[in-house]
Amino acid sequence: GDSVTQMEGPVTLSEEAFLTINCTYTATGYPSLFWYVQYPGEGLQLLLKATKADDKGSNKGFEATYRKETTSFHLEKGSVQVSDSAVYFCALSVVGGKLIFGQGTELSVKP
Amino acid sequence: GAVVSQHPSRVICKSGTSVKIECRSLDFQATTMFWYRQFPKKSLMLMATSNEGSKATYEQGVEKDKFLINHASLTLSTLTVTSAHPEDSSFYICSARAGGSQNSPLHFGNGTRLTVT
Repeated sequence: GDSVTQMEGPVTLSEEAFLTINCTYTATGYPSLFWYVQYPGEGLQLLLKATKADDKGSNKGFEATYRKETTSFHLEKGSVQVSDSAVYFCALSVVGGKLIFGQGTELSVKP
Repeated sequence: GAVVSQHPSRVICKSGTSVKIECRSLDFQATTMFWYRQFPKKSLMLMATSNEGSKATYEQGVEKDKFLINHASLTLSTLTVTSAHPEDSSFYICSARAGGSQNSPLHFGNGTRLTVT
């Protein structure tokens, strides 16, 4: 069935470091791909999305490219800030509009 | 932007009682809402899809008699945890789709922390 696999956390970085959070997926058809962010005690916020192969989603300095050949949607940011500390979820949409989430990757950025 | 309001944000109840959680789309109409459950340091598990004016569609393994979902209007869906037990303690999150396309992004509420004592 459809699934999403993310790299395990927690990921701990110093401020201004480069961030990569790996995400791979298994799906039938051509799903849309999403990254959501969850700050402590809150719900999820959409960070970025890509709807077809080779699309690049970007927002707030974060980027991810929909790679059909490697079934990946890795999240990157060139210089992280303390305020980026959160849990990041990769997700894909399936028939019916439901989202299938990865297990989440906790990011902790130290000053 | 599209806002989804979830209430209450936290609730503590005694074992055997029922708890109702509300999910409202504040500035848009949502034909479809989704209910998720999140365990500590775990991913979100889809519980059910709530469709306005019809019965909810539950995911495999989710007890529909225990988790009652009602979607009476285009802006309100409710989840009632009936006869709650400590193992029902969790973080429940609702989401709603603002656009008509299945690829439109979902907007999430801030979640409800349920603790059953």
